[in-house]
Amino acid sequence: AQTVTQSQPEMSVQEAETVTLSCTYDTSESDYYLFWYKQPPSRQMILVIRQEAYKQQNATENRFSVNFQKAAKSFSLKISDSQLGDAAMYFCAYRSWNNAGNMLTFGGGTRLMVKP
Amino acid sequence: DAEITQSPRHKITETGRQVTLACHQTWNHNNMFWYRQDLGHGLRLIHYSYGVQDTNKGEVSDGYSVSRSNTEDLPLTLESAASSQTSVYFCASRQDLNTEAFFGQGTRLTVV
Repeated sequence: AQTVTQSQPEMSVQEAETVTLSCTYDTSESDYYLFWYKQPPSRQMILVIRQEAYKQQNATENRFSVNFQKAAKSFSLKISDSQLGDAAMYFCAYRSWNNAGNMLTFGGGTRLMVKP
Repeated sequence: DAEITQSPRHKITETGRQVTLACHQTWNHNNMFWYRQDLGHGLRLIHYSYGVQDTNKGEVSDGYSVSRSNTEDLPLTLESAASSQTSVYFCASRQDLNTEAFFGQGTRLTVV
């Protein structure tokens, strides 16, 4: 079974600065997806970014980018120019490529605080 | 717009009662999922369904059941609620392997 670990329960960043959230995972599969989800106080789960394991290029979405290290099984999220609206819980998640593993496996989450 | 909705948003129930949480999606997605969210554990899979009449157990399925009589709905039933089932419950749906999952707003359930 796959496991996802987020070793930082809480992080804080000054507004306009950059912060990196860590995620490691364990799997024996070679093809899979990795995701970062944001959960603001509204509880809504919002997809931030997605990475296919077969792609060597790191995914980026505006101020959000990832550092995907497949051999190290590491998938960190970098948030540049942090904004107050970035304050939320962030969850790293794994999903298998094939149909047998169609569900998401989540890490325990990192609470990000943004200081004005 | 198509959407996924959960009801109720909040519920308080007594130990031993049967409780059903509703999940309804209007995208016509085949795949639907129920997760529970607890502090320090992230979201853990309870049950999932790949289509009508298909249901499967997830990581933490004990004490829960689901049924899939149509594409749009996947109700989650707690047969006899326990205090350990106090949690926030999320329903999600996805069309296929290559599309993202969409989540409902969550249901906060308190068992007293």
